[in-house]
Amino acid sequence: GAGVSQSPSNKVTEKGKDVELRCDPISGHTALYWYRQRLGQGLEFLIYFQGNSAPDKSGLPSDRFSAERTGESVSTLTIQRTQQEDSAVYLCASSLRQANSPLHFGNGTRLTVT
Amino acid sequence: AQSVTQLGSHVSVSEGALVLLRCNYSSSVPPYLFWYVQYPNQGLQLLLKYTSAATLVKGINGFEAEFKKSETSFHLTKPSAHMSDAAEYFCAVSDSSNYQLIWGAGTKLIIKP
Repeated sequence: GAGVSQSPSNKVTEKGKDVELRCDPISGHTALYWYRQRLGQGLEFLIYFQGNSAPDKSGLPSDRFSAERTGESVSTLTIQRTQQEDSAVYLCASSLRQANSPLHFGNGTRLTVT
Repeated sequence: AQSVTQLGSHVSVSEGALVLLRCNYSSSVPPYLFWYVQYPNQGLQLLLKYTSAATLVKGINGFEAEFKKSETSFHLTKPSAHMSDAAEYFCAVSDSSNYQLIWGAGTKLIIKP
């Protein structure tokens, strides 16, 4: 079956521009996560969506970052006025809402801010 | 608060040698524990998970992990390393209050020929 799909796979943008990253989760997965992974680093939690509940935005690093999710479907992560420190791989994952359900990850979007 | 500690940001073993990647967790309740692997330029994929059915958990690619409650550990092992095992490995514990995963910092496994 189809896995988690992220687009674009690579994005190069100029400092100060806005970017939008897209994530298509696995059908039926109510939970959706965004993570940031800087080069050689671990996973940095950004935001978590669960069904129609209010998202957990506690990981967003600044108000330049925002994310939306339409129901239990597609999610977009938007970064406004990009900075060079935003350069990283942005990973999306989805899962069923159960404590023992594993996360299924997309291959990520590699963002480079020049 | 729950936390995960992976000892060693880099582990180097020779091809054919035992692989041991360490993970310790803190949790006030019986946890769900996971190991994920990340190959270069890819997302993470599940290696194995512990959900209390058995303390020794077998995963993909010959890996296994043993849950030891007394040591609050969930170390990952493989009897004989292969070059294709070179990757980064992440340990995670599920937060039972909100189902989010708490991640370790990752261990990069290097295989020497």
